[in-house]
Amino acid sequence: EPEVTQTPSHQVTQMGQEVILRCVPISNHLYFYWYRQILGQKVEFLVSFYNNEISEKSEIFDDQFSVERPDGSNFTLKIRSTKLEDSAMYFCASSIRTSGGDTQYFGPGTRLTVL
Amino acid sequence: LAKTTQPISMDSYEGQEVNITCSHNNIATNDYITWYQQFPSQGPRFIIQGYKTKVTNEVASLFIPADRKSSTLSLPRVSLSDTAVYYCLVGDTGPGRRALTFGSGTRLQVQP
Repeated sequence: EPEVTQTPSHQVTQMGQEVILRCVPISNHLYFYWYRQILGQKVEFLVSFYNNEISEKSEIFDDQFSVERPDGSNFTLKIRSTKLEDSAMYFCASSIRTSGGDTQYFGPGTRLTVL
Repeated sequence: LAKTTQPISMDSYEGQEVNITCSHNNIATNDYITWYQQFPSQGPRFIIQGYKTKVTNEVASLFIPADRKSSTLSLPRVSLSDTAVYYCLVGDTGPGRRALTFGSGTRLQVQP
């Protein structure tokens, strides 16, 4: 069964540093997403991406965040200057629109720890 | 997006059937109902999706009454590995509206 993969599984960084989280969505999917989950809290939507542009973003997704699809397989989330409160699990998801609705498939996540 | 209400937690024993009900009184005509499962430190895993009546797959069934104001996820013969948080999500998955809104979910604990 095809699945979304994410690297690294765990990233530790110093406050103020830039991090790039990487995702490989399911190959025939067209829509890509990033979510985050702070420890013990809800899964929160960050951004959706379609046709090489952001289609929707939340209030969390401010100027410190950016997304990119640099090639035909990878989808990345960049945090320019990390803050302590960015520590969370970051999940990538992908989907393909069908007549029966749109199902998002999530990756295993990257645990980001900002020190 | 329609707000959902589901129990905070449930307990069960191995081999039992578990039914988790979700209320979504403000569901809109275009909304689908989707359930996800999440284990600690893992990504949400899609379980089942439906629009009306009953949907069944290899892991669960989803019952949706005619008014669609609630739905019930049914897990047959649960095992210890079904201990997880289960999320009910309701939303229009049309163009431009794809963000999933997760609530707190139902924490299912399966005992031996």
